[in-house]
Amino acid sequence: SAVISQKPSRDICQRGTSLTIQCQVDSQVTMMFWYRQQPGQSLTLIATANQGSEATYESGFVIDKFPISRPNLTFSTLTVSNMSPEDSSIYLCSADRSGGTEAFFGQGTRLTVV
Amino acid sequence: AQSVSQHNHHVILSEAASLELGCNYSYGGTVNLFWYVQYPGQHLQLLLKYFSGDPLVKGIKGFEAEFIKSKFSFNLRKPSVQWSDTAEYFCAALGGGADGLTFGKGTHLIIQP
Repeated sequence: SAVISQKPSRDICQRGTSLTIQCQVDSQVTMMFWYRQQPGQSLTLIATANQGSEATYESGFVIDKFPISRPNLTFSTLTVSNMSPEDSSIYLCSADRSGGTEAFFGQGTRLTVV
Repeated sequence: AQSVSQHNHHVILSEAASLELGCNYSYGGTVNLFWYVQYPGQHLQLLLKYFSGDPLVKGIKGFEAEFIKSKFSFNLRKPSVQWSDTAEYFCAALGGGADGLTFGKGTHLIIQP
């Protein structure tokens, strides 16, 4: 299994500001993913982050709002830009080492925008 | 697009009761199915997964799930629950060309001692 460290674990931010969430995996992984879990909702995939190429965004998510970096095979960041209260959510990082056979998750970042 | 439905959003059981949580997926092609659990204050953990072969899959902590292709279902079961099984349970699917997982809305399970 892989261990994924995500930080910050929680933050309260002012609207209009940006927050960058970091995700560190303890081993090299091919694919990393970012999910959002809004209150009372399921996890929704934001984007797939692959090393050496631009992130692939799901419908409803755009790079200007959620820029992602993937500088190497163990690290990724997600930035939530120009935040509004609607961005209040839990953001989760996930890694998959073996082509979809098992995804591991970080503990999540609980973001509150005021 | 792939979708996953979990029938029960909140379930309350007494210890030693039997558990079955429903999960249905929409995609008709090859699909990988998962059940994840999130204990209070902890990260998501894999309970079990199905790719192919025996449709009855056994996971950790006494959980099992049965893949029924004709019903597009992957229900989670446990014959006798414990108080420590109190958690949020998510069914997820991988398939249909998607890279990431498609999750159900989750079932909040509360076990009363």
